[in-house]
Amino acid sequence: KNEVEQSPQNLTAQEGEFITINCSYSVGISALHWLQQHPGGGIVSLFMLSSGKKKHGRLIATINIQEKHSSLHITASHPRDSAVYICAVIRSGGGADGLTFGKGTHLIIQP
Amino acid sequence: NAGVTQTPKFQVLKTGQSMTLQCAQDMNHNSMYWYRQDPGMGLRLIYYSASEGTTDKGEVPNGYNVSRLNKREFSLRLESAAPSQTSVYFCASSPNLMTSNIQYFGAGTRLSVL
Repeated sequence: KNEVEQSPQNLTAQEGEFITINCSYSVGISALHWLQQHPGGGIVSLFMLSSGKKKHGRLIATINIQEKHSSLHITASHPRDSAVYICAVIRSGGGADGLTFGKGTHLIIQP
Repeated sequence: NAGVTQTPKFQVLKTGQSMTLQCAQDMNHNSMYWYRQDPGMGLRLIYYSASEGTTDKGEVPNGYNVSRLNKREFSLRLESAAPSQTSVYFCASSPNLMTSNIQYFGAGTRLSVL
């Protein structure tokens, strides 16, 4: 069941570039998470959103509920942004088992 | 703040051995979760505990048992480890059963079953 699809799977960019990671989903959702997994393995929640747009520093997340699509943007990318970015959706009416994760986008920012 | 603490960080087992992965959170969260992460796949929920005293199966519960020892601690037990259980295991917690809560993750346990 590929309810959550992320693209691209891998992305290599130069420092300073504007980065976009996409997440499409096929089910009704109540919210969507963006998470960051560091090279050491730790996972950190970046955003949770159910509509519109959120911004934190150089990170911006948007969601279009009608189109079932979300994007994560990184402005002025830096090598420390290198990580795996994971999209996860919370299915409408779902409990703990209503959270479905994408496979992640592996981002490398080269100096 | 420690957040979510998992032990051990690494473990190697032989097929058939048993072990318990420990997880503790110091954020007074009601809900806790165990996930596994395998190459090429998203995180998958093994078991969760909505609140102290309750546990429920997730997507991939076979071969595992859990115990919500108290509000802080949620352990995952492999009774007879199999090579298919080689994975990275993550514990997480959230204020309540997440429909709209951010989850906080531990650093993970890398388990190899030979």
